[in-house]
Amino acid sequence: EAGVAQSPRYKIIEKRQSVAFWCNPISGHATLYWYQQILGQGPKLLIQFQNNGVVDDSQLPKDRFSAERLKGVDSTLKIQPAKLEDSAVYLCASSLGKGQGRRNYGYTFGSGTRLTVV
Amino acid sequence: GNSVTQMEGPVTLSEEAFLTINCTYTATGYPSLFWYVQYPGEGLQLLLKATKADDKGSNKGFEATYRKETTSFHLEKGSVQVSDSAVYFCALVSGGYNKLIFGAGTRLAVHP
Repeated sequence: EAGVAQSPRYKIIEKRQSVAFWCNPISGHATLYWYQQILGQGPKLLIQFQNNGVVDDSQLPKDRFSAERLKGVDSTLKIQPAKLEDSAVYLCASSLGKGQGRRNYGYTFGSGTRLTVV
Repeated sequence: GNSVTQMEGPVTLSEEAFLTINCTYTATGYPSLFWYVQYPGEGLQLLLKATKADDKGSNKGFEATYRKETTSFHLEKGSVQVSDSAVYFCALVSGGYNKLIFGAGTRLAVHP
């Protein structure tokens, strides 16, 4: 089975510029997550989609971050304008989704996009 | 809210030493608990999991037991190898939408 695909792998931008990341989850996975992992910290959930609807975006800085998941498949995460503190690895993950039972947590993570804001 | 607390690293051990990485959690209801590992230059991988109290998760010689009375899920391995050098994350899921919450991570360095 193909894994979670993310692109690009690396991105360097200047502050105040815009950037977009792309994620293609595992086929059939209804739930898609975007995490931000700052160096030396654990991943922090930014937004969670169930199909093409948002179920949790409580930690997404909505003044500069946006995300969409059109057609309930792949997703894009955008930052506009970027700040120095946005430098991090942005991880995408997918799972089968709600109602799959406590014993089935097929979370799969992509390799991430490393963003450096200078 | 739900949260995970891990012991701070780095943890530095010699090969074949015994490993313990402490993890405690705060959660409403009955969470499921996980250990993820991140090897240098690679993505997050599920190491083991436990879905109810007293369950023991195990994989690759690592073990962790879900202790509800102490709200803990400590990771152990009897004899570490250099190849175990990585960052280890404790995590939990609680709630209907399977929101996965991570601890800060503990870096393990094993020397020959």
